[in-house]
This record gives sequence, structure tokens and C-alpha cells, in this order.
Amino acid sequence: GAVVSQHPSRVICKSGTSVKIECRSLDFQATTMFWYRQFPKQSLMLMATSNEGSKATYEQGVEKDKFLINHASLTLSTLTVTSAHPEDSSFYICSASRDRHPVSSGNTIYFGEGSWLTVV
Amino acid sequence: SQQGEEDPQALSIQEGENATMNCSYKTSINNLQWYRQNSGRGLVHLILIRSNEREKHSGRLRVTLDTSKKSSSLLITASRAADTASYFCATGPTGGGNKLTFGTGTQLKVEL
Repeated sequence: GAVVSQHPSRVICKSGTSVKIECRSLDFQATTMFWYRQFPKQSLMLMATSNEGSKATYEQGVEKDKFLINHASLTLSTLTVTSAHPEDSSFYICSASRDRHPVSSGNTIYFGEGSWLTVV
Repeated sequence: SQQGEEDPQALSIQEGENATMNCSYKTSINNLQWYRQNSGRGLVHLILIRSNEREKHSGRLRVTLDTSKKSSSLLITASRAADTASYFCATGPTGGGNKLTFGTGTQLKVEL
């Protein structure tokens, strides 16, 4: 199956700094990528959807200026948490699809292994 | 708000037994998907069932969908210790929307 790689898998940063998480599709071109946030023992909450070459579409309540998403190529999307605070500590997961509308088409969406962010 | 509520929240069974997890949702859907997540890891797609389908099989997995009751179930037969994980249902909306909404998840533990 297709592989989606996230890096770093774990990161610790100081409060007030910015941290970047990368999501790469290793063996396919990802037209669409999704970023989720997951708190321990809870469900995944969609943060934003990004299409290659376009601005990301953010979910209600997600601060665009705080969670910067860039999908500059068909194999790479990045999530930058700016001015991180302890409450931003969480598990961030990306997913990717070849399809522009994978949810409605039912085409497979491939998930990365996630990135643990701890802000101290 | 969460689209899917899963039941039970946690399930502990012996190896060889069957595990059944249920998912209820609130609005009309185009399809419903089940995912598996090992602790602290990413998600793995298990199976997708479309709104016009009632049952689907894949290996030891059996999924049912009842759109009149807005519910789905995932049955894992002859469970193994390696099936220990969290299982999530996720719904895709009607109307061409691109948002996959996840349920609350069931934590399955299969003991030897």
C-alpha cells in the first residue's frame, strides 16, 4: 500500500517557539492532504484540508495564523505550530490521497504515523 | 461535535473470541469507514461501506450498515492478540463534502 511518512515522530519544544512537522507521500502524488489533532484516548479532530498549490481550508475554531499549513508540492505538506504553548501539546496526524475528493469518492486515504508534540 | 459515537468504549476479550463494535452517527452519509489505530501510532484503513450497501466482508472483518438506524457494526472474528488496538468509525458526508468525521473509538484488548 501507499506510504505516508511524518517527521519528526516526537518533538519537544520550548513555549513561544515554532515547530514544523512534515508529511510526505513516499510513493504517490498526494493531491489532497489532511491534518488532524488527537488528544490522548480521544478521537481525531480535523484541523485543515490542503490541496497542492492552494491555500489550506481550515476547520472552524482552528487558528490559521497559529497552525500554518503549506502544501507546496504533490509529495509534501507541512504544519507549523507558531508560538507554541503547552496547550498545543498533542498528537498530530496527517493523511493523504491521490484524489481531490477522496471522502466522497471513497478512495483510500493513507495516514502517517503521527507526530507527538510536547511544549514545555 | 462528534459525528460518531462508538460502543463500547472499551472491550476486553480472550483470543479466539469474536469482537463486535458499534458506531452510531447523526447525519446522512455517503460512506462509512473503519480504521484501526495501534497505541500512539497512525491509522490504518480497514474497510469502507457505501450508503447503498448493507454488509461487507474483508478477511476476518464483517461490517454492517443500517442507514435507517444510522448505525454500523464491525465484527472481528477469531480475534488474535495482535488485534489489540483502538478502532474508529468515520463517516463521509453526502453532497460531495471532503471531511471525514471520526467517532469516539473503541479500545479493544485481546488477551492470550
